Amino acid sequence: AQKVTQAQTEISVVEKEDVTLDCVYETRDTTYYLFWYKQPPSGELVFLIRRNSFDEQNEISGRYSWNFQKSTSSFNFTITASQVVDSAVYFCALKGGTGRRALTFGSGTRLQVQP
Amino acid sequence: EAGVAQSPRYKIIEKRQSVAFWCNPISGHATLYWYQQILGQGPKLLIQFQNNGVVDDSQLPKDRFSAERLKGVDSTLKIQPAKLEDSAVYLCASSLENSGRPYNEQFFGPGTRLTVL
Repeated sequence: AQKVTQAQTEISVVEKEDVTLDCVYETRDTTYYLFWYKQPPSGELVFLIRRNSFDEQNEISGRYSWNFQKSTSSFNFTITASQVVDSAVYFCALKGGTGRRALTFGSGTRLQVQP
Repeated sequence: EAGVAQSPRYKIIEKRQSVAFWCNPISGHATLYWYQQILGQGPKLLIQFQNNGVVDDSQLPKDRFSAERLKGVDSTLKIQPAKLEDSAVYLCASSLENSGRPYNEQFFGPGTRLTVL
């Protein structure tokens, strides 16, 4: 069975602060894929990043960075210099194996960035 | 490129009534998913289609939910009869995913918010 845990239900920061969203996953598959999605108030899930289990390189995209650590089964997401437009619910998701499986989502972390 | 389209955006019905949702995936996407997202939770898969065949419907409450994907393009999800606990957002997603490319990201539609009174 697969499981994704996002222990932080809600985080509130002031604009320009850095914030890290935690994600811990469980899977028995040796090959798997991890994703982060953003869900703004409009409701549409927006794809942010995909990471393969065999690629542990961290990634940076503008103000966003991701830290994948297989040893601790974590895939954390950091926003540097947060902005009000970053306010949304962020979901971590896992897709296991090479079979045709759907995503297993965490329960999400609501990020509120105050001006 | 047009995104995933869903309609209606909102629906309010009384319990025991029927309701249907429609989804048009991104052109060329073979795989289509329906997810249920209850308030405060992450999306949960209801059913997955590969072209017009069902890949996974293990979490679909088949006594009341049904779905079809005609000609491997558009899809409809139906609830009959609806219960109070069916109040949720129903999300449709599509991807290029196939056996040779199992890792493709899913693109989501805006969802249909269902309220059952």
